[in-house]
Amino acid sequence: ELKVEQNPLFLSMQEGKNYTIYCNYSTTSDRLYWYRQDPGKSLESLFVLLSNGAVKQEGRLMASLDTKARLSTLHITAAVHDLSATYFCAVDLVGSYQLTFGKGTKLSVIP
Amino acid sequence: GAVVSQHPSWVICKSGTSVKIECRSLDFQATTMFWYRQFPKQSLMLMATSNEGSKATYEQGVEKDKFLINHASLTLSTLTVTSAHPEDSSFYICSAEGTSGPLGTDTQYFGPGTRLTVL
Repeated sequence: ELKVEQNPLFLSMQEGKNYTIYCNYSTTSDRLYWYRQDPGKSLESLFVLLSNGAVKQEGRLMASLDTKARLSTLHITAAVHDLSATYFCAVDLVGSYQLTFGKGTKLSVIP
Repeated sequence: GAVVSQHPSWVICKSGTSVKIECRSLDFQATTMFWYRQFPKQSLMLMATSNEGSKATYEQGVEKDKFLINHASLTLSTLTVTSAHPEDSSFYICSAEGTSGPLGTDTQYFGPGTRLTVL
């Protein structure tokens, strides 16, 4: 059974600070995804990471993947209030498109 | 590209009634669609995988007779919650598998969700 663990589950940080969210998964996976969810809304796709060492950046967010460690990170640089949301990572099993989600990290950026 | 819509966006119904939720891929064809349920402050839980022209595959613990799924075309899947009860109140999100979206790879694209409240 594929398990996906995120930490921390809750993160309160000041504007301008940097922080990292971690996502560990238990078995070999084809792809790792990061999503953002605002309250009352559905998921917004942020990144898909396809191979070991993959790094993708969009604005103040950067995601990386280490398939050997089964670990992905989402790094936040110089946080701003607009980044406040819940961030989910998800992986799919090799050969399958079914996604298994982590529990999510609720990020609150405080002025 | 890769836009997925859901209808309705919210619905309130009385206990015992049935509610149908539609999921459409607007600009691409989706052989496979997925239905998720999300309770407040929790993650998404996969309910079932819907394949066009065949029966849906339900996850363990999801009652197939209560949550009827029909995937009659490559752009439409429907979820019907039959004899709804207050414990069925949740946020239901569908996704469609496609390749034409901004991520540039075969992946799931999510609809905006339907909030169901059963009184």
